[in-house]
Amino acid sequence: DGGITQSPKYLFRKEGQNVTLSCEQNLNHDAMYWYRQDPGQGLRLIYYSQIVNDFQKGDIAEGYSVSREKKESFPLTVTSAQKNPTAFYLCASSMGVPPDTQYFGPGTRLTVL
Amino acid sequence: RKEVEQDPGPFNVPEGATVAFNCTYSNSASQSFFWYRQDCRKEPKLLMSVYSSGNEDGRFTAQLNRASQYISLLIRDSKLSDSATYLCVVDNFGNEKLTFGTGTRLTIIP
Repeated sequence: DGGITQSPKYLFRKEGQNVTLSCEQNLNHDAMYWYRQDPGQGLRLIYYSQIVNDFQKGDIAEGYSVSREKKESFPLTVTSAQKNPTAFYLCASSMGVPPDTQYFGPGTRLTVL
Repeated sequence: RKEVEQDPGPFNVPEGATVAFNCTYSNSASQSFFWYRQDCRKEPKLLMSVYSSGNEDGRFTAQLNRASQYISLLIRDSKLSDSATYLCVVDNFGNEKLTFGTGTRLTIIP
């Protein structure tokens, strides 16, 4: 089955802790993206990567970090510097950069306690 | 003006009715347009791309009006399963990103 997987589905974190969200795809897509979604707001781009070992900041990169060591994997670390990390995090991939269609993983819901 | 703007709704529509949403965009150079569907607490899923000539997929019709910078989605003979939030997505020509609208919530009433 081809697709995008994210883990965990739900994540609870104490303030001051870093946490890493996993995103894996077996679609052979070059580009991968991380978005966050808050109630009543559109998806906001955190980071994206067009190719292995390269990534760019999106609109709200502060307090986040990523790596792209393999084509299939694009993990996101939410650091303690992110002031309001509670949100729904969505990973997406596409064959190439926009305007290629993006396909989403099932998301990780992060709650900071 | 927001880059992509949608009426948040909610639209409460009886089963079998026809419903239409519009979405306006600000970047006149945008080339690609999409409608995604998002169920509650789930990921967005592509519903359809929007082509210049308009396109239809079963009960769904999407149209693009470049002059007025809006896209539309028409749903005919609505089903209970059409209840969802519909996201308008537009490419941000020149900076390799897609911009997502905040979504229009649709509830089909039996």
